[in-house]
Amino acid sequence: DGGITQSPKYLFRKEGQNVTLSCEQNLNHDAMYWYRQDPGQGLRLIYYSQIVNDFQKGDIAEGYSVSREKKESFPLTVTSAQKNPTAFYLCASKADRGLTGELFFGEGSRLTVL
Amino acid sequence: AQSVTQLDSQVPVFEEAPVELRCNYSSSVSVYLFWYVQYPNQGLQLLLKYLSGSTLVKGINGFEAEFNKSQTSFHLRKPSVHISDTAEYFCAVSDLNDYKLSFGAGTTVTVRA
Repeated sequence: DGGITQSPKYLFRKEGQNVTLSCEQNLNHDAMYWYRQDPGQGLRLIYYSQIVNDFQKGDIAEGYSVSREKKESFPLTVTSAQKNPTAFYLCASKADRGLTGELFFGEGSRLTVL
Repeated sequence: AQSVTQLDSQVPVFEEAPVELRCNYSSSVSVYLFWYVQYPNQGLQLLLKYLSGSTLVKGINGFEAEFNKSQTSFHLRKPSVHISDTAEYFCAVSDLNDYKLSFGAGTTVTVRA
């Protein structure tokens, strides 16, 4: 079945460590997104990419980095510079860069910093 | 840039009762409006969207929403809820000046028997 796969589902890390969250889609979608979800705050956009080898900062990009070397993959690295990284991270994709299309979401990765 | 306000953070409701979730947005240009649902420990999925045309939009699982331009609102309704409707619901807005989708803070609906 087509969809978005995020891994790992749960991740623990120590302060000062970088961690990379994987996001893979087999929907042949052009656009991909990373959101952070915190209780009571909804979803906030970290980074997005509308085409391979190109990406833009979202509203809360500080302390994060991404790459888009392949259409199907959009990994997110949470660096040690991110001051409060414990959160639920959601990856999403959309068929094109237009405004009207549906976002398809993965099941999320829950990161806990110890 | 637009902002989205979901007026209720928690909505408890009894099974088979109606429910309304309120969403207001602020934007100076035309917008596209969406409602997404998130079941526990899962990603979000689209319930319905308004792009243009009829202001009453029907979605999946018996949900509908009405776009009111003068009140800048897009409230979600269901006439009779089921236990399985227990979830978090997000209103989202995009406008013609911005490729980003802005989400509200979410409304948690808890359906009790």
